[in-house]
Amino acid sequence: DQQVKQNSPSLSVQEGRISILNCDYTNSMFDYFLWYKKYPAEGPTFLISISSIKDKNEDGRFTVFLNKSAKHLSLHIVPSQPGDSAVYFCAASVGNAGNNRKLIWGLGTSLAVNP
Amino acid sequence: GAGVSQTPSNKVTEKGKYVELRCDPISGHTALYWYRQSLGQGPEFLIYFQGTGAADDSGLPNDRFFAVRPEGSVSTLKIQRTERGDSAVYLCASSSFGGQGAETGELFFGEGSRLTVL
Repeated sequence: DQQVKQNSPSLSVQEGRISILNCDYTNSMFDYFLWYKKYPAEGPTFLISISSIKDKNEDGRFTVFLNKSAKHLSLHIVPSQPGDSAVYFCAASVGNAGNNRKLIWGLGTSLAVNP
Repeated sequence: GAGVSQTPSNKVTEKGKYVELRCDPISGHTALYWYRQSLGQGPEFLIYFQGTGAADDSGLPNDRFFAVRPEGSVSTLKIQRTERGDSAVYLCASSSFGGQGAETGELFFGEGSRLTVL
């Protein structure tokens, strides 16, 4: 039972356009959401996160939107660049005591940005 | 180095053998995590250490899997009597309670150890 769902396994966009990656979740107890990017043969690298008390967080070309009522979040990349081509993972966690960030991950969306 | 270091990067073993995977976290990071990523899947949580103790080992699939972090830094994931289904990339991550990345809650990942059980 996938608690974090990324229903699009792949996405292709033109350089300069907007990339929108979607993520849905089922566990209403999740209070923190993160997006990671992964290149082949490398570990995931952190992109951006958002707390459930917010509905938007922006960092440069990356913006994450959270719609709690719909249990949906999205990552917007604008403008998209060829170097953004990677697998993007959505992850969520329930706040625990201390620093435990036991993340529940989606299956990932493979983004291809075409020159 | 400044990042999370994992060794070996690749390990091929035969069914039934014993395997150890090592993780050297970012210096000063008190939290350490092991995840497993199978082909086409997202990472799956295995175990979390806070200091030397395993604070949450609920993700270990069975008693063939065990992890230690005796001095609160380097961790070793141990897999006994390996099975073909254990083949995956084993990812280690660390994080800091009050330092870099604390505000974002991010985990810093190593490049992973790819385990292949024949």
